[in-house]
Amino acid sequence: GENVEQHPSTLSVQEGDSAVIKCTYSDSASNYFPWYKQELGKGPQLIIDIRSNVGEKKDQRIAVTLNKTAKHFSLHITETQPEDSAVYFCAASIGGNNRLAFGKGNQVVVIP
Amino acid sequence: DAGITQSPRHKVTETGTPVTLRCHQTENHRYMYWYRQDPGHGLRLIHYSYGVKDTDKGEVSDGYSVSRSKTEDFLLTLESATSSQTSVYFCAISEWDNKAKKLFFGSGTQLSVL
Repeated sequence: GENVEQHPSTLSVQEGDSAVIKCTYSDSASNYFPWYKQELGKGPQLIIDIRSNVGEKKDQRIAVTLNKTAKHFSLHITETQPEDSAVYFCAASIGGNNRLAFGKGNQVVVIP
Repeated sequence: DAGITQSPRHKVTETGTPVTLRCHQTENHRYMYWYRQDPGHGLRLIHYSYGVKDTDKGEVSDGYSVSRSKTEDFLLTLESATSSQTSVYFCAISEWDNKAKKLFFGSGTQLSVL
């Protein structure tokens, strides 16, 4: 089955700097890769996603890049702000895109 | 929150007792999911449903059962709760958007089994 791994597990950045979280996946058939942000006491919230026919997607300060050959995709957050502090999960589609396999999450801490 | 309501939000129960968690959605989504979230494990799929009375197992289904008698409700039952089932449980729905099936989560149920 699909195996998704995230690195690093914890990331601390100074406010205003960029943060990058990388995920690797194992199943070459995966074709959809979302990123979720989870704040304390809340459910995961979809923030950006990318399909396998696209190499990069951007939405304001966040972007996702996909390297299908290497089977990895990354979340980029620019000009980080304290409200970016959260746990971020990556995921990859399995089973014809009816299910997702999730990474274990990254704790991002933005230091004011 | 994609019209998802989970109840209860918090539950404390004793080992060996049955527990049922409810997920209610208001937007007629066909697919519904139950995940559990534990430190060091991320989100793991317990069961999912692809229609009324149509369900299937996820990766951590042992000790859990589900039922979907109406489109809007997906119930997760722990027949005899164990301490290892202490976790945060999330319900999710999926909907098609721009040719991708996207997953949206509820606010979660914190379950403690003592």
